[in-house]
Amino acid sequence: ETGVTQSPTHLIKTRGQQVTLRCSSQSGHNTVSWYQQALGQGPQFIFQYYREEENGRGNFPPRFSGLQFPNYSSELNVNALELDDSALYLCASSLADRGGYEQYFGPGTRLTVT
Amino acid sequence: AQSVTQPDIHITVSEGASLELRCNYSYGATPYLFWYVQSPGQGLQLLLKYFSGDTLVQGIKGFEAEFKRSQSSFNLRKPSVHWSDAAEYFCAVGLSNTNAGKSTFGDGTTLTVKP
Repeated sequence: ETGVTQSPTHLIKTRGQQVTLRCSSQSGHNTVSWYQQALGQGPQFIFQYYREEENGRGNFPPRFSGLQFPNYSSELNVNALELDDSALYLCASSLADRGGYEQYFGPGTRLTVT
Repeated sequence: AQSVTQPDIHITVSEGASLELRCNYSYGATPYLFWYVQSPGQGLQLLLKYFSGDTLVQGIKGFEAEFKRSQSSFNLRKPSVHWSDAAEYFCAVGLSNTNAGKSTFGDGTTLTVKP
């Protein structure tokens, strides 16, 4: 059983650019959540996807968008990057059908916006 | 909306000493509570969780936590800290009627272990 993987590990972008981050869920999990963790802070919930549909969103603007694919892998897209988007982006997968109260985190993607 | 407060930003303990990390939450219904650990450059690892039942829960790596509804607290404890426990610890609260994926996290407590 493989764990949650994320790519790339690190990324440097320029303000105004667009970025796509990828997440591969743990085998058998149908729910993925994305979090933004700024330096010195706890993770903040961005949104969640359950069976390919958005299933809740945190306080993030529409330029943060996502996709979940039939194999339950996921993407986080951020348009018009701002300096404040610099953070560690974490994805976490879980199995919602059985309560899914445990989620398993990937190692994160460190995004730097210059 | 739910919220989580971890009052201690940084704690230093000596190896072998006991540890208690504080967590207070705000949530109108029965919370689902979690403690995670994050080592530098790593994702979060679940230490333990509370959903219902016994208010003292045991986790991995010798950690335990006690849910106190009257105090809205879920403090993490370990009787004897090891140098490898040095990391950042996050408390989180999840919604009762759905899965844990929409958790609200505290800002973390950094644990330093002195030799």
